[in-house]
Amino acid sequence: EIQMTQSPSSLSASIGDRVTITCRASQSITTYLNWYQQRPGAAPNLLIYAASDLHNGVPSRFSGSGFGTNFTLTISSLQPEDFATYFCQQNYITPRTFGQGTRVEVK
Amino acid sequence: QVQLQESGPGLVKPSQTLSLTCTVSGGSISSGSYYWTWIRQPAGKGLEWIGRIYTSGSVNYNPSLRGRVTISLDTSKNQFSLKLSSATAADTAVYYCARAAESRGSYRTFDHWGQGAQVTVSS
Repeated sequence: EIQMTQSPSSLSASIGDRVTITCRASQSITTYLNWYQQRPGAAPNLLIYAASDLHNGVPSRFSGSGFGTNFTLTISSLQPEDFATYFCQQNYITPRTFGQGTRVEVK
Repeated sequence: QVQLQESGPGLVKPSQTLSLTCTVSGGSISSGSYYWTWIRQPAGKGLEWIGRIYTSGSVNYNPSLRGRVTISLDTSKNQFSLKLSSATAADTAVYYCARAAESRGSYRTFDHWGQGAQVTVSS
């Protein structure tokens, strides 16, 4: 099983801040990495797939990068609706696995 | 627009079988190149992939669930189901059904999710 480790587990930020979340895989997954956003009480929503491709309808302030074992999700200018929890997920092999999540809170 | 909806008992007694159904609307469960998937999330915790079933009926399960899981398709009702035997308190979670689709080539994503169903295992 591939372990996915996110950092930090939580962060505090203000509107307009640039936010970076890191995800590390326990072995290479090339670019088989997805990012999801989850608001309280709701199902996750897909943001980015294949490490850097933006899902349809996702604002361009979200971007992803990385290859192999190290990946990054960046929000260029944090908006009120972005306060949520973010998960990375590997799509390289089964069982599919997720990071433990990064909660983005209001500073 | 494809929609998924979980249904089933919200309370299960320890050692009994947890059973959930996902009803798919807006598309046929037996067509296309999709994996119909179950994922769960204990309160305040992360997401755990339980397993999946392909449109052909082939299945993959998470080994961590030690053979307790069965996922099946009912194409006549456009549904797929989850059974988790010998339930314990550790199985208490929100259970999501989701569709895994090809977003680009071999890159699959969970692009549609149900709203989630809370299941509590308690006597």
